[in-house]
Amino acid sequence: DSGVTQTPKHLITATGQRVTLRCSPRSGDLSVYWYQQSLDQGLQFLIQYYNGEERAKGNILERFSAQQFPDLHSELNLSSLELGDSALYFCASSEDPGNTEAFFGQGTRLTVV
Amino acid sequence: GQNIDQPTEMTATEGAIVQINCTYQTSGFNGLFWYQQHAGEAPTFLSYNVLDGLEEKGRFSSFLSRSKGYSYLLLKELQMKDSASYLCAVNLGSNYQLIWGAGTKLIIKP
Repeated sequence: DSGVTQTPKHLITATGQRVTLRCSPRSGDLSVYWYQQSLDQGLQFLIQYYNGEERAKGNILERFSAQQFPDLHSELNLSSLELGDSALYFCASSEDPGNTEAFFGQGTRLTVV
Repeated sequence: GQNIDQPTEMTATEGAIVQINCTYQTSGFNGLFWYQQHAGEAPTFLSYNVLDGLEEKGRFSSFLSRSKGYSYLLLKELQMKDSASYLCAVNLGSNYQLIWGAGTKLIIKP
């Protein structure tokens, strides 16, 4: 158990819908990262937050948004969902913004039908 | 642009040694991570190299050459449980962003 909690574990929804994925980082970790992993693909970095502020942005679509709340949990919002958005979405956390080991949650498997 | 290359798939025999290579061309560099990921599971940290050279940790070792933009992960005494994908990721440094390779799927045969 990495200490990073993601909910829900599985999500099935229809095209055009909007979903919210939630992540609770390890106790004491200030940095949260979101990744997308499509079937048999590598990890695609989406966005990073550090202590409530956006720190880095990767290949995140405009239909996607995220935030980190004062209690440090984070949410990833995916809207106007398309079939191609079906993927595993991982959240990871680390103590500081870089140069340290990141701990991954078990992921949310999103299926868009 | 940023580019990280790893072989897509490798096969090795239980008890043997395997080397998984990772080459990178990135705008910045502040360290390279190796992670292990079993199918459908979360990646788990294996190693982090900042300086050139070999770092050994039990059956796993990781090597870095910054001048060549090259790293490898060496797995010794392979066990069936080592069947997994191995991901390398470069810390760009400037904005703490990590760039990930697509991963190498390692298949261990008895």
